[in-house]
Amino acid sequence: GAVVSQHPSWVICKSGTSVKIECRSLDFQATTMFWYRQFPKQSLMLMATSNEGSKATYEQGVEKDKFLINHASLTLSTLTVTSAHPEDSSFYICSARGNRGGTEAFFGQGTRLTVV
Amino acid sequence: AQRVTQPEKLLSVFKGAPVELKCNYSYSGSPELFWYVQYSRQRLQLLLRHISRESIKGFTADLNKGETSFHLKKPFAQEEDSAMYYCALGNGGYNKLIFGAGTRLAVHP
Repeated sequence: GAVVSQHPSWVICKSGTSVKIECRSLDFQATTMFWYRQFPKQSLMLMATSNEGSKATYEQGVEKDKFLINHASLTLSTLTVTSAHPEDSSFYICSARGNRGGTEAFFGQGTRLTVV
Repeated sequence: AQRVTQPEKLLSVFKGAPVELKCNYSYSGSPELFWYVQYSRQRLQLLLRHISRESIKGFTADLNKGETSFHLKKPFAQEEDSAMYYCALGNGGYNKLIFGAGTRLAVHP
């Protein structure tokens, strides 16, 4: 199957700083990328959907100014958590869908963010 | 509203027993339904999609539009089937892929 890589796998940052998480499709062009947040022992909560070259569509309740999503190319999307606070600590997962595999979405390995 | 319901958090069975993981959805348009699986310490991966009508690792799932269900079934569970299973719903325009809460399947020897 197609490969989606997230970087970093884990990150610890201080309150008030910003953190950028990258999501790359390694062997296909990702026309659509999804960003999810997963709390311990809970399901994936869709945060936003981004299409290459367009502004991201955020789900209700997700602050677009806090979670900045950029999808500037067909192989890269980034999620920047701005002015992070401890309550932003979570597992963030990206998923990409593109010109391979029909409607299947391929998942990154996730990024564990801890804000101290 | 687009919604996926997986009523069981945990399903515990013995090896060789039949398995049915339930999934119900709510969507007014033409849905695309998927089952994703997450084995321990691994990323989510696609198991089945309704449009393919295929059997993967012995699992099957049939879309029942009348009951708005997409239950996952396997006649004889194996220990290696132990994992988290997520039912997911994509809308027609595919600008959303919504997941259910997930069901943990535990297959005991």
